[in-house]
Amino acid sequence: DTAVSQTPKYLVTQMGNDKSIKCEQNLGHDTMYWYKQDSKKFLKIMFSYNNKELIINETVPNRFSPKSPDKAHLNLHINSLELGDSAVYFCASKGGYGYTFGSGTRLTVV
Amino acid sequence: GESVGLHLPTLSVQEGDNSIINCAYSNSASDYFIWYKQESGKGPQFIIDIRSNMDKRQGQRVTVLLNKTVKHLSLQIAATQPGDSAVYFCAENIGGGFKTIFGAGTRLFVKA
Repeated sequence: DTAVSQTPKYLVTQMGNDKSIKCEQNLGHDTMYWYKQDSKKFLKIMFSYNNKELIINETVPNRFSPKSPDKAHLNLHINSLELGDSAVYFCASKGGYGYTFGSGTRLTVV
Repeated sequence: GESVGLHLPTLSVQEGDNSIINCAYSNSASDYFIWYKQESGKGPQFIIDIRSNMDKRQGQRVTVLLNKTVKHLSLQIAATQPGDSAVYFCAENIGGGFKTIFGAGTRLFVKA
């Protein structure tokens, strides 16, 4: 069983499009995150939800909108995609102190 | 500002040798530190953690050392194997809070 699963794994889209990435965790954790990893492997936190409530909202363009329908799901919607949005996006959940990450969604904007 | 940095972006070691990956942090309020391993095409995976009331913690083939005086963290891998090739991240957290800050990562290459 995959603990944190993201879909899709790869996403290629044109500039200006709107796309969504979905994340689900079956660990029973209360807190979920979205991280962006750039080409230099730097991991930057974007958002965090705790029990469906937004608790971390870093300096991210408002084209990015997270949604958490329940504590097991945290989706990321991106409007008007730009070239600079190309990156790998990781979903994670937090139990205790450590994180469990999904396998990532590689977004390529062309 | 807060930052978690690494001294070496890449490290190449011979199979069987020991590896040491270093990390510097700047937030003296951080009290919990974690090392993650990221293999190609995968998400980061938890390796080992240490709390600020400790200066050393050992796992299976891995040891984490914490020097709070100089705000330095290191990960030692004994008898490095090809399967250890990956990017390693240190991360810091304050009080078990919701926000964990990740360092830039060190890529470890293991030569057979």
